Amino acid sequence: GDSVTQMEGPVTLSEEAFLTINCTYTATGYPSLFWYVQYPGEGLQLLLKATKADDKGSNKGFEATYRKETTSFHLEKGSVQVSDSAVYFCALREAGGTSYGKLTFGQGTILTVHP
Amino acid sequence: KAGVTQTPRYLIKTRGQQVTLSCSPISGHRSVSWYQQTPGQGLQFLFEYFSETQRNKGNFPGRFSGRQFSNSRSEMNVSTLELGDSALYLCASSSWDGNGDTQYFGPGTRLTVL
Repeated sequence: GDSVTQMEGPVTLSEEAFLTINCTYTATGYPSLFWYVQYPGEGLQLLLKATKADDKGSNKGFEATYRKETTSFHLEKGSVQVSDSAVYFCALREAGGTSYGKLTFGQGTILTVHP
Repeated sequence: KAGVTQTPRYLIKTRGQQVTLSCSPISGHRSVSWYQQTPGQGLQFLFEYFSETQRNKGNFPGRFSGRQFSNSRSEMNVSTLELGDSALYLCASSSWDGNGDTQYFGPGTRLTVL
């Protein structure tokens, strides 16, 4: 079955540091890939997405590129802020008619940014 | 547009009771998915509804059920609650945007079973 693996957390960085959160996936076919962010006490917010190989999703300074050859979708940001402290989830949606409405999530990576 | 809304935000129940959670999707969205989030199991897919029909279902016991109304609002029901049902229940709505559908999540309902 489909699966998503994220790097182990938590990740602790100083403000303005470079961020990478690794995400690899296993899926049949050509899934769509997503990054969501969850702030304390809230639901998930879509951060960015990519729907085909070599697509780059970007939003609020975050970027991720869909790499089919390495089955990866690593999240990066050049300079993190304290306000980026949250839990980040990588997710995939399998292509095809039997995967209606189902996202498969990684386990989440807790990011803490210190001033 | 208003986002996905879920009610209630917090619930406390005791074992053996049943509970109903409600989700109102973003206007125009016809697909609603439900997820359970726990520290141990992470985010797990419960089921998805589209045009009042369940199209997909995750690996949860029959105590978990749902429905969708003609206005796309959805409810999920958990009967005979167990301690392990304590979780954050998230619903998400989606609409085809020409590049695949993207799910937008509500704030969740925090269920505590005592």
